[in-house]
Amino acid sequence: AQKITQTQPGMFVQEKEAVTLDCTYDTSDPSYGLFWYKQPSSGEMIFLIYQGSYDQQNATEGRYSLNFQKARKSANLVISASQLGDSAMYFCAMRADILTGGGNKLTFGTGTQLKVEL
Amino acid sequence: ETGVTQSPTHLIKTRGQQVTLRCSSQSGHNTVSWYQQALGQGPQFIFQYYREEENGRGNFPPRFSGLQFPNYSSELNVNALELDDSALYLCASSLVKALGGGNIQYFGAGTRLSVL
Repeated sequence: AQKITQTQPGMFVQEKEAVTLDCTYDTSDPSYGLFWYKQPSSGEMIFLIYQGSYDQQNATEGRYSLNFQKARKSANLVISASQLGDSAMYFCAMRADILTGGGNKLTFGTGTQLKVEL
Repeated sequence: ETGVTQSPTHLIKTRGQQVTLRCSSQSGHNTVSWYQQALGQGPQFIFQYYREEENGRGNFPPRFSGLQFPNYSSELNVNALELDDSALYLCASSLVKALGGGNIQYFGAGTRLSVL
């Protein structure tokens, strides 16, 4: 079974500053993928960034980077130069067994509500 | 925008009724997954459809069922609605290749179901 833990129910950051959203995971699968999604109040889940468990380098997508520490089972999201439009709920998610292509189930954490202030 | 569309956006039903939610996948995608998101929670996996067959199911009772059509659009059906079925229902589409790969699931905006 897979489990995602997000311990920060809410975070505040000032505009233009960087913020780190924490995510720890637990799985017995040898291969897995880690994802971050953004959910504005409109409800749509917006894909931000992906990290494979066998990727050698940490993933980056524009202002988003994923700080992947496999030994600690953590996959923290770093947002640089925060913008007002970044205010939303952020979910960390995992999918196991990606190398064999088996299954497509995402296991989500409970989310972190980020508020960007002027 | 992801190209995944869901209808209707909002729905109100009474306990015991049946409901059908619809999802149109992103062009070129062959897999649809459905999730239930209760208020204040992360989404929970209901099931997925790959090439018109159910291919993976979460911890949901049989009264949750689905279909995937040849054009890869999908329906989620819920029978005998209960109050706890009130939630945001999210559909996600992806392109699953034969062997692995980090396929990305792209979500629609969801259908908000209220059961009274």
